[in-house]
Amino acid sequence: DAGVTQSPTHLIKTRGQQVTLRCSPKSGHDTVSWYQQALGQGPQFIFQYYEEEERQRGNFPDRFSGHQFPNYSSELNVNALLLGDSALYLCASSPPLGREQFFGPGTRLTVL
Amino acid sequence: AQKVTQAQTEISVVEKEDVTLDCVYETRDTTYYLFWYKQPPSGELVFLIRRNSFDEQNEISGRYSWNFQKSTSSFNFTITASQVVDSAVYFCALSGNRDDKIIFGKGTRLHILP
Repeated sequence: DAGVTQSPTHLIKTRGQQVTLRCSPKSGHDTVSWYQQALGQGPQFIFQYYEEEERQRGNFPDRFSGHQFPNYSSELNVNALLLGDSALYLCASSPPLGREQFFGPGTRLTVL
Repeated sequence: AQKVTQAQTEISVVEKEDVTLDCVYETRDTTYYLFWYKQPPSGELVFLIRRNSFDEQNEISGRYSWNFQKSTSSFNFTITASQVVDSAVYFCALSGNRDDKIIFGKGTRLHILP
């Protein structure tokens, strides 16, 4: 049983570019959440997707957007990248009616 | 507002010692959930435990134990007979009743020295 998978593992972009990160949830899970973890900090909630809709959103600008597909996989898009967007981006999935969130290995984004 | 405070930024202990990681939380919800996650150098967050606010029983899982005290808004984590493989960053976290987003503390970096 595969856990949460994310791609790519690492990514280097320059300021102003756009990036798309991908996440496949654990089998049987229908909810996907995205978190940003800056170096030396705890993860911060970006948003959550359920039934292909954004259900909750944290304190992130509109440059951060997402999508969930019918197979429950999800994408995180960031436009007009800033140096401060450099971080580890974590995807987490949770089962129907479940509270536990199981995290993927993350995508490390570096903005130069 | 919800908040999780892990006052210990970094702890170093010698292998086989016991170590306790402190966590204090703030929430106005009467129903809430508390978590501990482990983040080894690989970066992946590993789920350790979830407690709901109505269950104050302490829990033990092998060398790990958790002490939940609502009266002091604390949810401390103890590793008994620590091992080098326990070296990691440990995060305490909280989610409220109305939503699923998890609020994380800043983490405690634990070094177990051989």
